[in-house]
Amino acid sequence: AQSVTQLGSHVSVSEGALVLLRCNYSSSVPPYLFWYVQYPNQGLQLLLKYTSAATLVKGINGFEAEFKKSETSFHLTKPSAHMSDAAEYFCAVSEGNDMRFGAGTRLTVKP
Amino acid sequence: NAGVTQTPKFRVLKTGQSMTLLCAQDMNHEYMYWYRQDPGMGLRLIHYSVGEGTTAKGEVPDGYNVSRLKKQNFLLGLESAAPSQTSVYFCASSRRREKLFFGSGTQLSVL
Repeated sequence: AQSVTQLGSHVSVSEGALVLLRCNYSSSVPPYLFWYVQYPNQGLQLLLKYTSAATLVKGINGFEAEFKKSETSFHLTKPSAHMSDAAEYFCAVSEGNDMRFGAGTRLTVKP
Repeated sequence: NAGVTQTPKFRVLKTGQSMTLLCAQDMNHEYMYWYRQDPGMGLRLIHYSVGEGTTAKGEVPDGYNVSRLKKQNFLLGLESAAPSQTSVYFCASSRRREKLFFGSGTQLSVL
């Protein structure tokens, strides 16, 4: 069965700094990969998804992620953090009929 | 557009009581899911359904039952609630391997 590991439960960056959130997956077939964001007391919203087309995927709010098959990774990046990016971020993998999530990374942005 | 609607939003149960959470979607999605979210553990899949009349177990199905009698509804039942089932429950729906649309969540406390 597919699974996701997110390295780092908490990441703290300064406003304007690079954001890098790490995600590694395991899957027995080519996966579909997703990043979601959750703001306090809300449900999850899709940031971006990879579905075997381009390996560099651009999402909303300036985020992007690169699929690297050799490293089984799908790390999320943003060149310049904004205060409004403070939230919890979840990586997810879909191998077949279901979708499995990582444990999440809480991003803090310092002024 | 209502999207995905969960009821109730909050519930307090005593150990051993039973309850049913209702999820309704108006997007004609085939796939529906129930997740629970606990601090530091991300979202864990309880059960899911790939169509009316079908259900399947996820990562943490024990202590829960589900039914999908109508395409638009997916019910999650707790027959005998335990304190370990205190959590926030999210329902979601989607097309196959596409992004999930989430409900706003149900906060359940079992005393």
